[in-house]
Amino acid sequence: TQLLEQSPQFLSIQEGENLTVYCNSSSVFSSLQWYRQEPGEGPVLLVTVVTGGEVKKLKRLTFQFGDARKDSSLHITAAQPGDTGLYLCAGSGYQKVTFGTGTKLQVIP
Amino acid sequence: KAGVTQTPRYLIKTRGQQVTLSCSPISGHRSVSWYQQTPGQGLQFLFEYFSETQRNKGNFPGRFSGRQFSNSRSEMNVSTLELGDSALYLCASRRTGEGIEAFFGQGTRLTVV
Repeated sequence: TQLLEQSPQFLSIQEGENLTVYCNSSSVFSSLQWYRQEPGEGPVLLVTVVTGGEVKKLKRLTFQFGDARKDSSLHITAAQPGDTGLYLCAGSGYQKVTFGTGTKLQVIP
Repeated sequence: KAGVTQTPRYLIKTRGQQVTLSCSPISGHRSVSWYQQTPGQGLQFLFEYFSETQRNKGNFPGRFSGRQFSNSRSEMNVSTLELGDSALYLCASRRTGEGIEAFFGQGTRLTVV
């Protein structure tokens, strides 16, 4: 069974602070996606990383895929209230998609 | 390009009843997956359909079933509803069964009373 553990589970920070969310597994994934979900809505795809060691930037968000393709991180610079939401990582492999446990982020103005 | 459409958005049912939820994937996407999301359990995989065939199944009781039609639209059925079935049910579509990116609908919020 493939499992994806995210940390931290909850994060409450002030506007302007930086933060990093981690997504770890003992399994190797062929690719990994990050999603953001707002209350009552479906998750929205932010990025897909495919190559070990790959780094992708999306404005203030930086995503990294581990060299061994078992882990990933999401770093947000100068967080804003609009970044508030549930962040989910999802690993793809063996014809299956496994979702992480989620990180609930609250950015306080 | 239209996104994933789930209907209805909200549903209130009584214990013991059954319910059918619908999902229309993005045009050209042949894979539809269903998930149950609750505050306590997070996002849990129910099943995936690809070209009208169930491809993968999660660990849910037989009360949860689904099907996919030739136009890739999918339905999910839950029979003999229990209070614990109250959740946000999400549908995700992918271009192919191996497609790496899933696109979600807004979900159906089911409340069982």
